[in-house]
Amino acid sequence: QQPVQSPQAVILREGEDAVINCSSSKALYSVHWYRQKHGEAPVFLMILLKGGEQKGHEKISASFNEKKQQSSLYLTASQLSYSGTYFCGTDPYNNNDMRFGAGTRLTVKP
Amino acid sequence: DTEVTQTPKHLVMGMTNKKSLKCEQHMGHRAMYWYKQKAKKPPELMFVYSYEKLSINESVPSRFSPECPNSSLLNLHLHALQPEDSALYLCASSLEGGEATGANEKLFFGSGTQLSVL
Repeated sequence: QQPVQSPQAVILREGEDAVINCSSSKALYSVHWYRQKHGEAPVFLMILLKGGEQKGHEKISASFNEKKQQSSLYLTASQLSYSGTYFCGTDPYNNNDMRFGAGTRLTVKP
Repeated sequence: DTEVTQTPKHLVMGMTNKKSLKCEQHMGHRAMYWYKQKAKKPPELMFVYSYEKLSINESVPSRFSPECPNSSLLNLHLHALQPEDSALYLCASSLEGGEATGANEKLFFGSGTQLSVL
């Protein structure tokens, strides 16, 4: 029931770009993206709703293809502060049953 | 106030102890959640309360007992835990708690309770 994320880990230099993918075997109402830094709680980044809307947060944007049940998170011109683990979350039954993918550990180096 | 407050931040307990974790929010959210997170793993859903009623219980062992005394407060009572229960316990809340909601409601997480069972 939980979504599948890839890759498991990414290492970048400052200024480089990255893409994180999330897919589900179930039809989705939406896809959530959260970032968790070491020792901290997950923090909400954005929700992607049906309709393929692309949302943005700083230089982080995302897309949602509801037909393919896939979402991608785009990190452009990465900054040191982007380091952390990124989780996508889905609630395929729309009943407050939010499940998270395994996470993608992103490391941005100077 | 856009915070979810969890206490205590750290807890060490023996296998015969009884303890409780507390979570509080004053955002008027009607859905509240308990997640368990092991190191380098995603949060795993344990319980969901919707309008103060237990709506999801993910087959969690009975040594974990949730309670929602009112719309702002969520407790997790712990009894006879095992060492493998050591983890970060996260509380979260979201605005809507009724049927056909949730997918479009962002979760606000508390900072968690780091639990160690000896």
